[in-house]
Amino acid sequence: NAGVTQTPKFRVLKTGQSMTLLCAQDMNHEYMYWYRQDPGMGLRLIHYSVGEGTTAKGEVPDGYNVSRLKKQNFLLGLESAAPSQTSVYFCASSYDSGEVQPQHFGDGTRLSIL
Amino acid sequence: GEDVEQSLFLSVREGDSSVINCTYTDSSSTYLYWYKQEPGAGLQLLTYIFSNMDMKQDQRLTVLLNKKDKHLSLRIADTQTGDSAIYFCADWGSGYSTLTFGKGTMLLVSP
Repeated sequence: NAGVTQTPKFRVLKTGQSMTLLCAQDMNHEYMYWYRQDPGMGLRLIHYSVGEGTTAKGEVPDGYNVSRLKKQNFLLGLESAAPSQTSVYFCASSYDSGEVQPQHFGDGTRLSIL
Repeated sequence: GEDVEQSLFLSVREGDSSVINCTYTDSSSTYLYWYKQEPGAGLQLLTYIFSNMDMKQDQRLTVLLNKKDKHLSLRIADTQTGDSAIYFCADWGSGYSTLTFGKGTMLLVSP
């Protein structure tokens, strides 16, 4: 009963390094989302996907790229990490439009950029 | 853009009732949600209410919606120390096909 799994759970990067955060869900959900959570800012949507092969920008997309090559996976990439991207990143998924379907969240990836 | 506002902190004693308030600006919101985040974990859906309802009760949780004032509240009866967490109000953000979250209210329950 995994639900939404995020990998890795923690990571420290140097400025300018690249990395990919992986989100996997085993609920056959169509919709997947990447958020970042910062103190005093709540959750902000980075990118989202409404199905395999589709992606769209959210509120704060700059500096990030995403891919949804398989329905169960949603990858978030940082091409050149910056200290401003230090944050906790959450992935979420929902069966259909989240308006009536709850979003299921992973436990987060804590990323520090030095 | 659309906005969701919450008070940042609430402290209560065990056994008391807790009331967490939220205001939103999107007049087209059809569903409003309450999520709970425990330390080191992701968000879990607690409850939600459809915009044509005034109240929804689910065990110790009562959600009140004043659509005219765009005000949502979550009441937790008989609050327990295990209820200590951050509570997020969210509505359906019409701009991005997803939820717009408030900044979260940290609830601290003392014995």
